[in-house]
Amino acid sequence: DTGVSQDPRHKITKRGQNVTFRCDPISEHNRLYWYRQTLGQGPEFLTYFQNEAQLEKSRLLSDRFSAERPKGSFSTLEIQRTEQGDSAMYLCASSLARDKPYEQYFGPGTRLTVT
Amino acid sequence: AQTVTQSQPEMSVQEAETVTLSCTYDTSESDYYLFWYKQPPSRQMILVIRQEAYKQQNATENRFSVNFQKAAKSFSLKISDSQLGDAAMYFCAYRSPEKLVFGKGTKLTVNP
Repeated sequence: DTGVSQDPRHKITKRGQNVTFRCDPISEHNRLYWYRQTLGQGPEFLTYFQNEAQLEKSRLLSDRFSAERPKGSFSTLEIQRTEQGDSAMYLCASSLARDKPYEQYFGPGTRLTVT
Repeated sequence: AQTVTQSQPEMSVQEAETVTLSCTYDTSESDYYLFWYKQPPSRQMILVIRQEAYKQQNATENRFSVNFQKAAKSFSLKISDSQLGDAAMYFCAYRSPEKLVFGKGTKLTVNP
């Protein structure tokens, strides 16, 4: 078990460009979550999947954001036409929805800087 | 909507001493989970301790313990025998119902 991994760890992009992040959850975990963390704040929920189904999306997830989890394994988060306000740490977490308490295990995050 | 408030942006403690981090939350639910997560500088977030609301007994994990006051909606974290490696951001979180709602965090400094 290698834990939750995220790629890339850092991304610098110019405003208006598209970016895509990848998250690989712990292998047997069927739930996968995306959070965004800005400087000095706690993580804020963006969306989550159970297997391949996207079950909940936050109002923070504008139309420029899209997340997928094909085949219920890894997930991608794409941001189109990036804006400076998108600069943040994007965190992925996974959990096993079988027994309580559904603890979430976090990856190291992808730090996005939009210039 | 559930909210989580951490009123101490920063705290400091001497090595080997005890420190308590505060957290309050707002909910209308009767059964829920509360968590404390630790985020060391430039490292990933890890779970420190969890509390199930229906359990009256306060959770304990080695040097970490909580004081859970359900009626007051208070969930504080006590770190005993503080170590240099405890220095980090600490986040209180409420599970609602599938996602976590986090407070803004408390930065803990451990002085040698």
